[in-house]
Amino acid sequence: GAGVSQSPRYKVAKRGQDVALRCDPISGHVSLFWYQQALGQGPEFLTYFQNEAQLDKSGLPSDRFFAERPEGSVSTLKIQRTQQEDSAVYLCASSPPIGGTAARGNTIYFGEGSWLTVV
Amino acid sequence: GENVEQHPSTLSVQEGDSAVIKCTYSDSASNYFPWYKQELGKRPQLIIDIRSNVGEKKDQRIAVTLNKTAKHFSLHITETQPEDSAVYFCAASRYSGAGSYQLTFGKGTKLSVIP
Repeated sequence: GAGVSQSPRYKVAKRGQDVALRCDPISGHVSLFWYQQALGQGPEFLTYFQNEAQLDKSGLPSDRFFAERPEGSVSTLKIQRTQQEDSAVYLCASSPPIGGTAARGNTIYFGEGSWLTVV
Repeated sequence: GENVEQHPSTLSVQEGDSAVIKCTYSDSASNYFPWYKQELGKRPQLIIDIRSNVGEKKDQRIAVTLNKTAKHFSLHITETQPEDSAVYFCAASRYSGAGSYQLTFGKGTKLSVIP
């Protein structure tokens, strides 16, 4: 695959429902990021993985948000007991190894996003 | 943490004119500054980036300048075309060791190019 793939593209959840959002990063990219983008705003950092290790989860807004990447490739962002304020686009991004392709050491490439609406 | 301010929030220009978008950042350790273009319902796409050891970079009609002392950087689009209409985001990033780094985005500029 040429780019970062996310599914589902669109999700409508009832308040209180759990949701799981999937990300397939670009093959060979060790770094994976999740961002949350509210309507009319810039993306906001949620969490970062290097391979299977979650090195930074400082942006997760509450303990209802959980992310994993058990085999260092596909990642899942899970939101438990969804609330209306969780409605946003959830963007996944990946990046090649730092120094691996030196000129683009920390360029990140975004997926199309998963649009979550909580009703 | 890093804070990125972006101005203006909306910008309308006539086709063929130039457009300038400005951003400031707060963390002097930030060393990588990309610009993303996002069309409605689409993914953010990298259009140009600059690193802290460079003051200016140009790619055809797009250029970015960086002033590290003042902690600001700007996007310049010349000879604008209707297809340049989109939301543009600036971002700042620093490498914090242990393989961890993140981008902090501005709030975006909605550029409209009027034919």
